[in-house]
Amino acid sequence: QSVLTQPPSVSAAPGQKVTISCSGSNSNIGNNYLSWYQQVPGKAPKLLIYENNKRPSGIPDRFSGSKSGTSATLGITGLQTVDEAVYFCGTWDASLSVVVFGGGTMLTVL
Amino acid sequence: QVQLQQRGAGLLKPSETLSLTCAVYGGSFAGYCWSWIRQSPGKELVWIGEINHSGSTKYNPSLKSRVTISIDMPKNEVSLRLTSVTAADTGVYYCAKMPASVTLNCKSYMDVWGTGTTVTVSS
Repeated sequence: QSVLTQPPSVSAAPGQKVTISCSGSNSNIGNNYLSWYQQVPGKAPKLLIYENNKRPSGIPDRFSGSKSGTSATLGITGLQTVDEAVYFCGTWDASLSVVVFGGGTMLTVL
Repeated sequence: QVQLQQRGAGLLKPSETLSLTCAVYGGSFAGYCWSWIRQSPGKELVWIGEINHSGSTKYNPSLKSRVTISIDMPKNEVSLRLTSVTAADTGVYYCAKMPASVTLNCKSYMDVWGTGTTVTVSS
C-alpha cells in the first residue's frame, strides 16, 4: 500500500487529454513539492515535472502539473502512442522521513 | 549531460551483502545529491537513501540498519551497500541524481537516473 494514492490505470484516445491524480496528506503533498515521472517498460523512470508544475528542459508543454492541498494532478494533452507508460508521483514525507512514491498509473493510448 | 553508469553483482544468496556502484559521467559531481531507489517486481518504487557531496546521508528508516551509501569524489562514484539481504530485497536498483538547494540540502526529486541493476536474492 503506497503512501501516495494513484489510480491503477487510465486510458484515452490519441489526440485527447488525460489527467492522472495523486492523493496524499499534509505530511507529504500538503507541505512539500511534488514531482512526476514517466517509466516506459524496461527503462528507468524519467523526470517529467518537478516542484509541482515545472518542466525540465526537453519535456514538451503537453505535460503539465498542478497541486491543490493534499492532491496533485498530471495533465497530458495531445496524447500520442509514445506516451503509453507508467506514471509515478513522488514527494518528501516529513512524518516518515522518506521520499515516497505513488503506486503508479498505467496510461493506455487507445 | 550527466550520465550514470551502474555496476555490481546481480545474483545474491540470502544473508550476503549487496554492493553496487554508480559512476557519474559528463558533468560535475560536486554540488549535487545522489540517491538509490529500488523497484520491486510489483513495480513499487522505494527510496533507499541519499548522500550529498559532503558525505552527509539520509536513509529510509525501514532499511537504515542495513544500508550504507558513500561517495568517492576523486572517482566520481556513489556506492550502495545493503547487508543481510533476503528475497524481499529482490528488485531493480537505480542510482539517481538529485539537485541540491543553496544550503546543500537535497531536493526530493531525481532529475537523472541510472539504467538500473537487476538484483535477485535466491538460495
